[in-house]
Amino acid sequence: AQTVTQSQPEMSVQEAETVTLSCTYDTSENNYYLFWYKQPPSRQMILVIRQEAYKQQNATENRFSVNFQKAAKSFSLKISDSQLGDTAMYFCAFILTGTASKLTFGTGTRLQVTL
Amino acid sequence: GAVVSQHPSRVICKSGTSVKIECRSLDFQATTMFWYRQFPKKSLMLMATSNEGSKATYEQGVEKDKFLINHASLTLSTLTVTSAHPEDSSFYICSARGSPAGVNEQFFGPGTRLTVL
Repeated sequence: AQTVTQSQPEMSVQEAETVTLSCTYDTSENNYYLFWYKQPPSRQMILVIRQEAYKQQNATENRFSVNFQKAAKSFSLKISDSQLGDTAMYFCAFILTGTASKLTFGTGTRLQVTL
Repeated sequence: GAVVSQHPSRVICKSGTSVKIECRSLDFQATTMFWYRQFPKKSLMLMATSNEGSKATYEQGVEKDKFLINHASLTLSTLTVTSAHPEDSSFYICSARGSPAGVNEQFFGPGTRLTVL
């Protein structure tokens, strides 16, 4: 079974600063996808970024980037130039490739962006 | 992008009654839909997976007679909480998977907050 671990329950960062959220996962499979989802106070789940395991290049989406270390099974999210609107719960998630696969979520990190 | 809606967004019901929550994919065909439950400040817990036209697959510990799931079309899945009790109060989220994104991306609905009095 796959597991996803987020060891930081809460984090705080000042506006315009950079913050990194940690995520590790455990799997014996080789083909999978990793995601970071954001859940703001509205509770709508929003996809922030995705990474295909077969790609060595780290994914980036504007101010969001990941550090994907496949051998270490690590998938951290870096948020640059933090904005107040980044305040949210962030979930790391994992899915094996294939039609029968289900998302496995981490426990989440609550990020607070302050002035 | 793909849009998933849920209705209602909030519902309050009396203990013992049944409540139906709808999940719709608005601009794509959802071959698979998922139902999650989320407690305050907790992660999403998968309840069941439903494929269009077939019976839902429930996760261990989820009562299938309590949480009835129907996926009658490629754009609609429903979750019915039968004989609701206060401990069923929670936030329920659906997600859908299908074209155009393929099998590896899910699109989430905005959630339904259920309160059972």
